Amino acid sequence: RKEVEQDPGPFNVPEGATVAFNCTYSNSASQSFFWYRQDCRKEPKLLMSVYSSGNEDGRFTAQLNRASQYISLLIRDSKLSDSATYLCVVRSNTGFQKLVFGTGTRLLVSP
Amino acid sequence: ETGVTQTPRHLVMGMTNKKSLKCEQHLGHNAMYWYKQSAKKPLELMFVYSLEERVENNSVPSRFSPECPNSSHLFLHLHTLQPEDSALYLCASSQERQAEAFFGQGTRLTVV
Repeated sequence: RKEVEQDPGPFNVPEGATVAFNCTYSNSASQSFFWYRQDCRKEPKLLMSVYSSGNEDGRFTAQLNRASQYISLLIRDSKLSDSATYLCVVRSNTGFQKLVFGTGTRLLVSP
Repeated sequence: ETGVTQTPRHLVMGMTNKKSLKCEQHLGHNAMYWYKQSAKKPLELMFVYSLEERVENNSVPSRFSPECPNSSHLFLHLHTLQPEDSALYLCASSQERQAEAFFGQGTRLTVV
């Protein structure tokens, strides 16, 4: 089983739509969670951290469910500029604390 | 403008060549990483340096050799690579191992 699993997509949505991505992780000792965004042929950039209580940043909402070991990202009122690959990232606090990346979910927002 | 700079941005090399990738971070971080990103695969952690000491090597082939002369600079020395080593090589840094990582723009490597 992969340490971090995501649906690769692509998710094709019209402008203004709401879209949600889920991610599951296998290591129950994982403590830190992030969503990164990666544009085509560019480096990944941090979109937002994910906190236990859930957090919101403008049109983006992240949720964490530790019991089920999944993380979600909700994007409201999608913009064309939201088209990118969204990477779910998990860091464990046991052993060596490394960042583990999912394969990413591709989002295409169309006019 | 990124606080992590990688050079070169693109590199084409033959299987018998020796080349080096360079990474420099201007963020005052104390951990630096090399990742490999191949098509349709997740980012793979290759090496981590924390406080200039290598703390993990994920069974990467010996044809990849990292060097970290100080906390701001990281190199990846390449020799006798294979075509399957063609990928995007990303450098990242973080303030400490618990924080999120900031990436450089990557070196797109093609081995011919």
